[in-house]
Order: sequence, then structure tokens, then C-alpha cells
Amino acid sequence: NAGVTQTPKFRILKIGQSMTLQCTQDMNHNYMYWYRQDPGMGLKLIYYSVGAGITDKGEVPNGYNVSRSTTEDFPLRLELAAPSQTSVYFCASSGYGATMTDTQYFGPGTRLTVL
Amino acid sequence: QQQVKQSPQSLIVQKGGISIINCAYENTAFDYFPWYQQFPGKGPALLIAIRPDVSEKKEGRFTISFNKSAKQFSLHIMDSQPGDSATYFCAAQKAAGNKLTFGGGTRVLVKP
Repeated sequence: NAGVTQTPKFRILKIGQSMTLQCTQDMNHNYMYWYRQDPGMGLKLIYYSVGAGITDKGEVPNGYNVSRSTTEDFPLRLELAAPSQTSVYFCASSGYGATMTDTQYFGPGTRLTVL
Repeated sequence: QQQVKQSPQSLIVQKGGISIINCAYENTAFDYFPWYQQFPGKGPALLIAIRPDVSEKKEGRFTISFNKSAKQFSLHIMDSQPGDSATYFCAAQKAAGNKLTFGGGTRVLVKP
């Protein structure tokens, strides 16, 4: 299993541009999450999904949108990029298997700079 | 409102020493407390976790101590090694739902 994969790894955007961060997991997890991590700060939850077709806002959703059309994919859309969105973005997934684990598995991250 | 407060922000320890990271939470609805380890350029990975029905959990050189009445928990890294140099995050989760609230992180540097 590849686990959680994210693309791209790095991206530079100009103010006002838009982009989609891709996230795919192959563990058949129900739950998927998007976090942002600013330097010296913890992870802040942007959006999460409890299953295909169901999404909800996290702590810092403004300026972002998500969709969940399949169990595997959970893309994050940035509209009208702003310098305040410069951050490292992590996608994660978790699911309840036979062991009822709560572990969230993280992808390698996307480093985004908005200039 | 920061629901999980973590300290210190950074610490330096000699090889073989003990690293101690503390976290405090406010919401008594939290019932699952994991610690995540993150190496530079990587995503966080689960290190060890505890539920409030026990006061301590040990896995190898890593131990979580939990004080329910004080709403505090801590990570102890015994016999710290240079390979333990990383950023450590505490987190908390409520029983209903699966959202984690993270602390601010502690950057640990183990000097050889």
C-alpha cells in the first residue's frame, strides 16, 4: 500500500491564482482530513470528510473548498490565493477497522508559497 | 482559543538524557490522547497514544503519563538518541467524531 499520497510536493502561486491540491489514499479509510501547518505552529484542521459525499468545515476553512466524490480522493481547492495561505498542507486519513484504531495517517505534504 | 497547550516549544538534550514534553487540555470531552512524531520534510506519524482510563503507557523508550484531574499529559523520551531529533505534537480527540486537536509542537534536538 502507498498509504496517503499528495501532489504536488511544491508549488508557487501568484496572488489571485487558483489551484487544487490532490490527495489519494489506498487504505479504504472512511475519514479524510486537510490540515495546514505554519512555521512553528501546530496543525490546523481546514476541512474533513467522514465518507464519500460528506464534508464539513474544520477550524480554518476560509479560502478553501473540498469535495469527496470517491472514498479514495479528497482534493483541496484554493480560490484566489493570498499570501496568508502560504503554508505546508497535509492530507490525512483514518478508518475504523477490526482494531477500532483512531490513528490518522498523514501524507508527505505540499509546500505552497503565495507571492 | 487554544484547546491543547504544549510546552516547551523546543528543547535540547544530550544523548542518553531524558526529554520531557508537557501538554494541557481544557475540554473534558476529550478521551483519546495521541502523540505524533514529525521528521523534517515528512508528515506526522503516530508515536504512542493513551486513553484516560490509564495513568501511564510505555512503549520502548517512550512513555505517556496522564493526569486526568489536572487535565495534563506528558511524553517522556528515555535514553534520548540523535535519531529522536524531530518535532513532537500532542493531540486530543473527543469520543464522538474523529477530529484531532493538536498542540503547537515541540522541536527536540538530541546532541551526540
